[in-house]
Amino acid sequence: DTEVTQTPKHLVMGMTNKKSLKCEQHMGHRAMYWYKQKAKKPPELMFVYSYEKLSINESVPSRFSPECPNSSLLNLHLHALQPEDSALYLCASSRLPGVNQETQYFGPGTRLLVL
Amino acid sequence: GDSVTQMEGPVTLSEEAFLTINCTYTATGYPSLFWYVQYPGEGLQLLLKATKADDKGSNKGFEATYRKETTSFHLEKGSVQVSDSAVYFCALSEDAGGTSYGKLTFGQGTILTVHP
Repeated sequence: DTEVTQTPKHLVMGMTNKKSLKCEQHMGHRAMYWYKQKAKKPPELMFVYSYEKLSINESVPSRFSPECPNSSLLNLHLHALQPEDSALYLCASSRLPGVNQETQYFGPGTRLLVL
Repeated sequence: GDSVTQMEGPVTLSEEAFLTINCTYTATGYPSLFWYVQYPGEGLQLLLKATKADDKGSNKGFEATYRKETTSFHLEKGSVQVSDSAVYFCALSEDAGGTSYGKLTFGQGTILTVHP
């Protein structure tokens, strides 16, 4: 089973709202990732968690706050977003962090619209 | 830094035509190379990968060979189907020991449309 699940599938929020995106995998993977993808563009890395610790933050604004409560779960907390943050947010996981041969498995994404 | 360059699309083909999508890369060390496919409204799925020079990745009739001498990883399929219509991303993952910690560097993506 190589499934990464993400909820919700779609989210509409106002600029003053607080919401969270959830990602789950049960493959025993120890690296988890958040990506942002704008239309007709490749995914852009936001955060990397290795063994439940944040290892990479790609200079993401503080209105995005990641959290890894356990090895299977990854959250992305959203607060005071801007309309330009509207995008597809993808979660991914891989078996081991920092090993370039490892495949990253992606979830189906959460499509976010900020009004 | 590392980079991936894909041929610009969109690519439009008739069913059963031969497909090539070119991908070249710039990297220090020995990266692993990947092709991902994204169907409309979905996340990315791994199509194939190769982790060292001269390796050939293959899946669902698609093939790509890791060519270190030409720094290329071109995707090919002998006979495309309408169901292959999607966006294809070439990507590399840097050599272990770098500071990127498994970061994938993507090409810009190539939109493929296959007509019946």
